[in-house]
Amino acid sequence: NAGVTQTPKFQVLKTGQSMTLQCAQDMNHEYMSWYRQDPGMGLRLIHYSVGAGITDQGEVPNGYNVSRSTTEDFPLRLLSAAPSQTSVYFCASSYGGTGGTEAFFGQGTRLTVV
Amino acid sequence: DQQVKQNSPSLSVQEGRISILNCDYTNSMFDYFLWYKKYPAEGPTFLISISSIKDKNEDGRFTVFLNKSAKHLSLHIVPSQPGDSAVYFCAASGGFGNEKLTFGTGTRLTIIP
Repeated sequence: NAGVTQTPKFQVLKTGQSMTLQCAQDMNHEYMSWYRQDPGMGLRLIHYSVGAGITDQGEVPNGYNVSRSTTEDFPLRLLSAAPSQTSVYFCASSYGGTGGTEAFFGQGTRLTVV
Repeated sequence: DQQVKQNSPSLSVQEGRISILNCDYTNSMFDYFLWYKKYPAEGPTFLISISSIKDKNEDGRFTVFLNKSAKHLSLHIVPSQPGDSAVYFCAASGGFGNEKLTFGTGTRLTIIP
């Protein structure tokens, strides 16, 4: 059982480039989300989805797009990378619907924008 | 506005003693609280949770206490072991229909052998 899989694990981008961070889960979870972790700031929610076809913004959505065409996949797109987007990104999934259920996290993607 | 606060960035505890990690929150709509543990270069992993209708939840060496009137929760680890050295995040959610997790900034726990 793979759980939550994120690719790539590391990425270096130049300012202005675009890219997609991939996230897939095999637990049939309805709820998926993206977080970024920065030093001294904990994990902050970027975007989340409560099911296929439904997405919404979190705390820090600017500069990022998401879509949810299937239950399994929830890619995060950086439209025009900026140095402020240098961070570690985590994807998470959970059953949802019952409130407060345990979220499972991927291993993270460490992104550097130069 | 930090709705979930962990005011101690770091904590060192002797092996075998009790580790107490603290967390405060400001949003009275939070209904469910969770603790996550994170090792370097790995994603956070779930440790223990508590619903707002309880004041204590225990799982082996880990116990979480919730004081709703003070908007405070704590994680107790007894006895502390070297493998417990990690960053611990407190998180809160609004319960049914509002499962978004709001995280604290984390506390780095170091267990001294």
